[in-house]
Amino acid sequence: DVKVTQSSRYLVKRTGEKVFLECVQDMDHENMFWYRQDPGLGLRLIYFSYDVKMKEKGDIPEGYSVSREKKERFSLILESASTNQTSMYLCASSLYPGSSASYEQYFGPGTRLTVT
Amino acid sequence: AQKVTQAQTEISVVEKEDVTLDCVYETRDTTYYLFWYKQPPSGELVFLIRRNSFDEQNEISGRYSWNFQKSTSSFNFTITASQVVDSAVYFCALSEGNYGQNFVFGPGTRLSVLP
Repeated sequence: DVKVTQSSRYLVKRTGEKVFLECVQDMDHENMFWYRQDPGLGLRLIYFSYDVKMKEKGDIPEGYSVSREKKERFSLILESASTNQTSMYLCASSLYPGSSASYEQYFGPGTRLTVT
Repeated sequence: AQKVTQAQTEISVVEKEDVTLDCVYETRDTTYYLFWYKQPPSGELVFLIRRNSFDEQNEISGRYSWNFQKSTSSFNFTITASQVVDSAVYFCALSEGNYGQNFVFGPGTRLSVLP
């Protein structure tokens, strides 16, 4: 079974703090993703990565950065947390098909971040 | 631009009833993939099914079945004899055939199965 783990289920941070959310997958997947989920807005893609040290912006990258130094680990960084970044953050991974195709994403349990 | 619509925001049924969750998508690509995910109260999205645009066969897996109709751009999900454990938010998603990076999720349908 694919396993995607996230470093924390719940996190409370203060405005202005630098926040690191860690995600690790154990299935040797090339693609990794960070989403945020908010009521009424669904899942929105923040960043994704298709290889080590590679990253692409998603729909809402402002205020976030990412790091992928190892294939199994994808970190989301909030450089200076703000209250509007209070949300559920979901990490996912999938195979990279090597051609025009798409594979299912497997999700971690999520991190509920509150910024006060 | 690709888009996924799940018109039903919330559905409530009584246990053992059948229920169908609707999903309508928009895409200009001829190659695309459709997915269903379940998000139980614990929060983790669970993958249920993947379908590519060239395979219109319906699929059945236990109490779950999926009806894919390209003519109406729909990919509906039916739960037969619903159970309380089916209570969750269900998401339909679309990915165009572009190396798997570009997923679009629908807004989700919250299903409540009452005992």
